[in-house]
Amino acid sequence: AQSVSQHNHHVILSEAASLELGCNYSYGGTVNLFWYVQYPGQHLQLLLKYFSGDPLVKGIKGFEAEFIKSKFSFNLRKPSVQWSDTAEYFCAVNQGTGANNLFFGTGTRLTVIP
Amino acid sequence: NAGVTQTPKFRILKIGQSMTLQCTQDMNHNYMYWYRQDPGMGLKLIYYSVGAGITDKGEVPNGYNVSRSTTEDFPLRLELAAPSQTSVYFCASKVNTEAFFGQGTRLTVV
Repeated sequence: AQSVSQHNHHVILSEAASLELGCNYSYGGTVNLFWYVQYPGQHLQLLLKYFSGDPLVKGIKGFEAEFIKSKFSFNLRKPSVQWSDTAEYFCAVNQGTGANNLFFGTGTRLTVIP
Repeated sequence: NAGVTQTPKFRILKIGQSMTLQCTQDMNHNYMYWYRQDPGMGLKLIYYSVGAGITDKGEVPNGYNVSRSTTEDFPLRLELAAPSQTSVYFCASKVNTEAFFGQGTRLTVV
């Protein structure tokens, strides 16, 4: 089965600092990649997704992610974080076809200090 | 658009009690899911369904049951609540590859 690794469990940054959250997956075939964000007390919302084409994907709120196939990675980046970016971020990988094929990482909690 | 709707948002249960977490979606998605989210553990799949009348176990199904009598509804049942089931539960539906999540149900078993 697919495994998704998010190595940063908790990241603390000051406002205006740059952000990069790591995500690695294990499956070597065709995948679709996602980053979800969960603001405190809320449900998961889609931040961005990669299906095919340009490996640099831009999402909402200034976030972007780069798919590097050779490294099985899909890291999330933002040049300058804001206090409102404080949330938990989940990387997810959709593998192949069928229903039971969406796998989540354990999440990275981001705290932005004003 | 309502999307995926879960009820209740919060619930406290005593050990041994039963309850049903409701989930309904209005997007006509065939695939539906129940996850539990525990601190530092990410999302674990409990059960999923590929369509009305068809359900299957996920990674952590013990202590839960589901049914899927219609495309819209996918309730999750806890028969004998245990403290280990204290968690936040999310229902999701999926079309193609993108999943849509409900607001979550925070369940505490005491």
